[in-house]
Amino acid sequence: NAGVMQNPRHLVRRRGQEARLRCSPMKGHSHVYWYRQLPEEGLKFMVYLQKENIIDESGMPKERFSAEFPKEGPSILRIQQVVRGDSAAYFCASSQSGLGANVLTFGAGSRLTVL
Amino acid sequence: AQTVTQSQPEMSVQEAETVTLSCTYDTSESDYYLFWYKQPPSRQMILVIRQEAYKQQNATENRFSVNFQKAAKSFSLKISDSQLGDAAMYFCALNRDDKIIFGKGTRLHILP
Repeated sequence: NAGVMQNPRHLVRRRGQEARLRCSPMKGHSHVYWYRQLPEEGLKFMVYLQKENIIDESGMPKERFSAEFPKEGPSILRIQQVVRGDSAAYFCASSQSGLGANVLTFGAGSRLTVL
Repeated sequence: AQTVTQSQPEMSVQEAETVTLSCTYDTSESDYYLFWYKQPPSRQMILVIRQEAYKQQNATENRFSVNFQKAAKSFSLKISDSQLGDAAMYFCALNRDDKIIFGKGTRLHILP
């Protein structure tokens, strides 16, 4: 019973390139959350998605960042024209239904380094 | 305004001793959930313990227990019989609306 799978674990991009981070939620989970962790910081909420729907993107930067969770396949966090400040660990988490009684199960994170 | 506050950036405890990590939070909800997550050097986020606000009884999980003071909006984590494997960042978290909000974390060192 695989947990939340994130790939790549490490990604290096040059300024101006695009970064794509993928997340496959736990089996049976239909709710996906993306968080960003800067060095020595806590996790900052970015976006909450259900299949084919963005429920809450209040934590997403207004430009260059987008997320999707298609009917088939993993959730994708896409960062266009990356800058050095985008260097961080990006964590995906999933839950069986909305929060409340349910807890988040986290993936191992994807570390993005922008040169 | 910060929703979840962890006022101790770092703490140290002798192996086998007990340590308490502090957390305060702010919410206007009456029913909510609080969590402590552990992040070891591997960076994997691991749920340590969960507290439901409508339950007065403090949650416990083996060597981990909480002191939940709803009126004071305080949610501290007590680790008994500390072990070397407990060394990690510990994050207090609150679910608000449809997302979980994290504090900035406390780095716990275990001294052998």
